Amino acid sequence: NAGVTQTPKFQVLKTGQSMTLQCAQDMNHNSMYWYRQDPGMGLRLIYYSASEGTTDKGEVPNGYNVSRLNKREFSLRLESAAPSQTSVYFCASSGGFAGELFFGEGSRLTVL
Amino acid sequence: DQQVKQNSPSLSVQEGRISILNCDYTNSMFDYFLWYKKYPAEGPTFLISISSIKDKNEDGRFTVFLNKSAKHLSLHIVPSQPGDSAVYFCAAGFQGAQKLVFGQGTRLTINP
Repeated sequence: NAGVTQTPKFQVLKTGQSMTLQCAQDMNHNSMYWYRQDPGMGLRLIYYSASEGTTDKGEVPNGYNVSRLNKREFSLRLESAAPSQTSVYFCASSGGFAGELFFGEGSRLTVL
Repeated sequence: DQQVKQNSPSLSVQEGRISILNCDYTNSMFDYFLWYKKYPAEGPTFLISISSIKDKNEDGRFTVFLNKSAKHLSLHIVPSQPGDSAVYFCAAGFQGAQKLVFGQGTRLTINP
C-alpha cells in the first residue's frame, strides 16, 4: 500500500532554476497539502487543495505554485529557485478535515 | 508569530520512565489538537488527537492532556521505550477546516 508518494526524494538546484515536485496519493482522499520543514520552524503549510479543482495559499506561499492535476496528484512548482527555498518538502493528504494527515517521505531540496 | 510553540527543542528520558512533551498555543479558537511523530528520513505519522470538548485522551501508552484555560497541551508516554526516540510535533486546527498549524518539534531521546 503506497499511501503518499513524492518524487524526487533529493534534488540540487542552482539559483534561478525551476523544478516541480510531484505528489500522488492512492487513498482516494479529497484534500492534499504541501508543507516545508526547516530547523527550528516546524512544518509550515505552503499550499493546500481541499478538493479536485481548488487550491489555496497557506502560511508561506511566496515563490511557489501548485497544480491539483486530478484527485490523486498535487504538484508543487518552484519557478525561480532561491537559496531560502532549501528545505525538506512534505506532501500530505487527508480524507476529511485536516485532522489526520498522511505524509509522504519527503523531498530534500538544496538550492545553491 | 508562532501560534503553536514547543519550547523544548530536545528531551532525554530513561527507558521505562515517563516522557512528557509540552506544547502551548495562542489562538483560543483552536478546537482540535494533534500529535505527530517523525523518524529520520520519514514523513510524520499521526499519533493521537484531542478535541477541545475533552481534557484527556488515551491510546495505549500515549495520553494527551488539554488545559484550555492555560492554552497548553501535553503528551505523556508511559513507559518510554527506545522506539519512541523521534521528533514529536504538536499541531492545532479547527474542526471542519483544512489547515493545521504545527509547532517546531521536540526531539525525544530514550536512553537504555
